[in-house]
Amino acid sequence: DAMVIQNPRYQVTQFGKPVTLSCSQTLNHNVMYWYQQKSSQAPKLLFHYYDKDFNNEADTPDNFQSRRPNTSFCFLDIRSPGLGDAAMYLCATRLGTGLHGGGNEQFFGPGTRLTVL
Amino acid sequence: GENVEQHPSTLSVQEGDSAVIKCTYSDSASNYFPWYKQELGKGPQLIIDIRSNVGEKKDQRIAVTLNKTAKHFSLHITETQPEDSAVYFCAASKMGSGYSTLTFGKGTMLLVSP
Repeated sequence: DAMVIQNPRYQVTQFGKPVTLSCSQTLNHNVMYWYQQKSSQAPKLLFHYYDKDFNNEADTPDNFQSRRPNTSFCFLDIRSPGLGDAAMYLCATRLGTGLHGGGNEQFFGPGTRLTVL
Repeated sequence: GENVEQHPSTLSVQEGDSAVIKCTYSDSASNYFPWYKQELGKGPQLIIDIRSNVGEKKDQRIAVTLNKTAKHFSLHITETQPEDSAVYFCAASKMGSGYSTLTFGKGTMLLVSP
């Protein structure tokens, strides 16, 4: 089935040790998003790609970086994780075309739960 | 920017009752309003959405209504079942751009008791 896949589902890292989370999609969607979701909160958008065009949210810390080497894959790099970065990280995709014909739905992956020790 | 308020934050109902969750938005240019259901440990899943050119949309036990003038939209779940228990998020967006993003409400935890 076409889907959004996130690996790993659970990631444990040490304070300050770089970590990379990955997302892949078989939907061939143009847009990919990374969200951070803390307990009992709404997803918070970190950044997104429209094809190769990178769009960073104004309040996303510099500690967070992203790469999209091709249509199917997108990575979230946390350069020096702090305790406050422990959260669920969600990847989502959207077709991104078609003003009225659709392409607005965001499809979410299952998320990666990051623990920082 | 857009701001979405969602109420209530928690909602407890008995199985078979109806549940209503309400959201308001601030940006009159927003024209796409999805609702997501998130079960524990999973990613959000779209359950229904509505565009600004429509006032109401229904899909089996789920319906959404939109009042553009008042800038509010609501989710209605009838004949609730225990498997409806989850966190529900409303969101608002402007369609038509590859760069459009969702602004989420803070979520409503729905608990349906047997």
